[in-house]
Amino acid sequence: AQSVTQPDIHITVSEGASLELRCNYSYGATPYLFWYVQSPGQGLQLLLKYFSGDTLVQGIKGFEAEFKRSQSSFNLRKPSVHWSDAAEYFCAVGASQAGTALIFGKGTTLSVSS
Amino acid sequence: GAVVSQHPSWVICKSGTSVKIECRSLDFQATTMFWYRQFPKQSLMLMATSNEGSKATYEQGVEKDKFLINHASLTLSTLTVTSAHPEDSSFYICSARDTGGRNEQYFGPGTRLTVT
Repeated sequence: AQSVTQPDIHITVSEGASLELRCNYSYGATPYLFWYVQSPGQGLQLLLKYFSGDTLVQGIKGFEAEFKRSQSSFNLRKPSVHWSDAAEYFCAVGASQAGTALIFGKGTTLSVSS
Repeated sequence: GAVVSQHPSWVICKSGTSVKIECRSLDFQATTMFWYRQFPKQSLMLMATSNEGSKATYEQGVEKDKFLINHASLTLSTLTVTSAHPEDSSFYICSARDTGGRNEQYFGPGTRLTVT
């Protein structure tokens, strides 16, 4: 079955500390992988995506993610978290062919403490 | 970048009435649009896939007669919640796939529906 697992429901990190949000996927076809961020009551903002090529992808707001095929993982990282990073983070996977919807993980809530 | 708009952004309606939500791709054509539903503090669940000029494909468990989808043009898809009930209250998000792109979806800002 196709699925995305985000093992951590809620994470709290101190401002300035590093962050890693985990994402594992199960997908039959070649996966396209995405990370989105959502602030309360808002829509989704794309942080970064992986289609092919370099397995370490850079995104907006200082985020990066590494695709590890052997581990079926696409973890999101940031070296130094800012208070404004507090939000809900969703990992998603889609197929490489046209016209398919994304499958989302359940999300990880990030809280930032001062 | 590609922009997807939704209208309205927030709507309150009474039980038994119908509500229409619009999803527009503003600067690109989208033969395929997707409708998702998000309950509070939960993930997005795909409701249906909307294809321009043809019937929508609904996910298992989604009532097609209750959630009417129309994709009449390459830039507009509508979701009509018919005979709304309080349990239909949710955050509805659409996305549009750029026809000329590589399965990259652009998400709308969402519509908050509250049924009283």
